[in-house]
Amino acid sequence: KAGVTQTPRYLIKTRGQQVTLSCSPISGHRSVSWYQQTPGQGLQFLFEYFSETQRNKGNFPGRFSGRQFSNSRSEMNVSTLELGDSALYLCASSLGFGGEETQYFGPGTRLLVL
Amino acid sequence: AQSVTQLDSHVSVSEGTPVLLRCNYSSSYSPSLFWYVQHPNKGLQLLLKYTSAATLVKGINGFEAEFKKSETSFHLTKPSAHMSDAAEYFCVVAPINTDKLIFGTGTRLQVFP
Repeated sequence: KAGVTQTPRYLIKTRGQQVTLSCSPISGHRSVSWYQQTPGQGLQFLFEYFSETQRNKGNFPGRFSGRQFSNSRSEMNVSTLELGDSALYLCASSLGFGGEETQYFGPGTRLLVL
Repeated sequence: AQSVTQLDSHVSVSEGTPVLLRCNYSSSYSPSLFWYVQHPNKGLQLLLKYTSAATLVKGINGFEAEFKKSETSFHLTKPSAHMSDAAEYFCVVAPINTDKLIFGTGTRLQVFP
């Protein structure tokens, strides 16, 4: 079974631009979560989706948004990019929703904002 | 609120010697706990998971962890380190009713020949 896939793998943008990242979960998984990883802040939760509904959101500004489609694929969007948005963005999927569910991570999208 | 504390930011061992990566957790109830590993420029790979079925959890690549409620610890061990074990390791707690994982700050494991 194919793992979690994320596209693109690498991205370079300039300040003020916007970016959309895509995540395809493992087949049959209905829950998708997003995390930001930076050297200074470590791994931080962005948001989670289950059955196209956002269930939880982390402490990020409104420039960060996301959505989930009926096939469980998810996208996240960052508008008006800032230098501090440079990070590795990781997507994870799980079968169901809840703490006991194992989350499987994709390889990440590395975003560089210049 | 739940949290995890990884007690060492760096651990160095020689190949063939035991590995111990320490993690303490804070939770008002019995949590789900995980260890993930991240190799350079890669995503996170699940090593093992604890969900109250057994206190000693065996994972992949010879790793195991023991849940000790009295010490609120979930330390990761491996009897004999291999060069390929060099990576960053994250202890993670998962609250119930959410997929929001709470990560420790990570422990970088170096393995010397």
